[in-house]
Amino acid sequence: QVQLQESGPGLVKPSETLSLTCTVSGGSISSGGYFWSWNRQSAGKGLEWIGRISRSGRTNYNPSVDSRATISLDAPRNQLSLTLSSLTGADTAVYYCTRDRCNGNSCYSSDSWGQGTLVTVSP
Amino acid sequence: DIVMTQSPDSLTVSLGERATINCKSSQSLLYSYDNKNYLTWYQQKPGQPPKLLIYWASTRESGVPDRFSGSGSGTDFTLTISSLQPEDVAVYYCQQFYASSRTFGQGTRLEIK
Repeated sequence: QVQLQESGPGLVKPSETLSLTCTVSGGSISSGGYFWSWNRQSAGKGLEWIGRISRSGRTNYNPSVDSRATISLDAPRNQLSLTLSSLTGADTAVYYCTRDRCNGNSCYSSDSWGQGTLVTVSP
Repeated sequence: DIVMTQSPDSLTVSLGERATINCKSSQSLLYSYDNKNYLTWYQQKPGQPPKLLIYWASTRESGVPDRFSGSGSGTDFTLTISSLQPEDVAVYYCQQFYASSRTFGQGTRLEIK
């Protein structure tokens, strides 16, 4: 059974860039039939999808973070990563990576979630 | 963005009774090419990530108890728990996968009376 584990700094300053890593075990990020996503959850905005990446590296982003977010894959390490620039307090949230089940480019569920990592943006 | 609106925001149900949660989307989630509704339900317990319950509006994920069922099409969807158990206390979310930018409902908190 695939497992996902997020890691990164718990505290970052406003205007800085956040870098998070998701380590996948029990399955390969290069497997067909799946995309990989980042989501976040805050008290103020609930659950929010940030973006996704295919095994070929094709990405899609939520317009609300589009220009600030970058998702990438590291196949040899079986990891995906998220960078989010120009942070503000509104980016304070628990960040989750997920595996998405898909038929071609049409995904229809996030069937595996990491435990999440809390990121606080504060001076 | 497609707006997902759940109702009610919170729900209190007695053990063994039926619980019904609604989810309405601002546009149809039905893809004509495969006749599937791209609507997914999750359960989230305190301190845990969301857990997949149902996808394509009515397909139960493997291992999910059959007291959980999903229904609906187009813009109106329902998650039903036929006989509430203590372990079903949680927040339930719907999410649309129709648009390239996915969106969630605000969540429905389910408690026991």
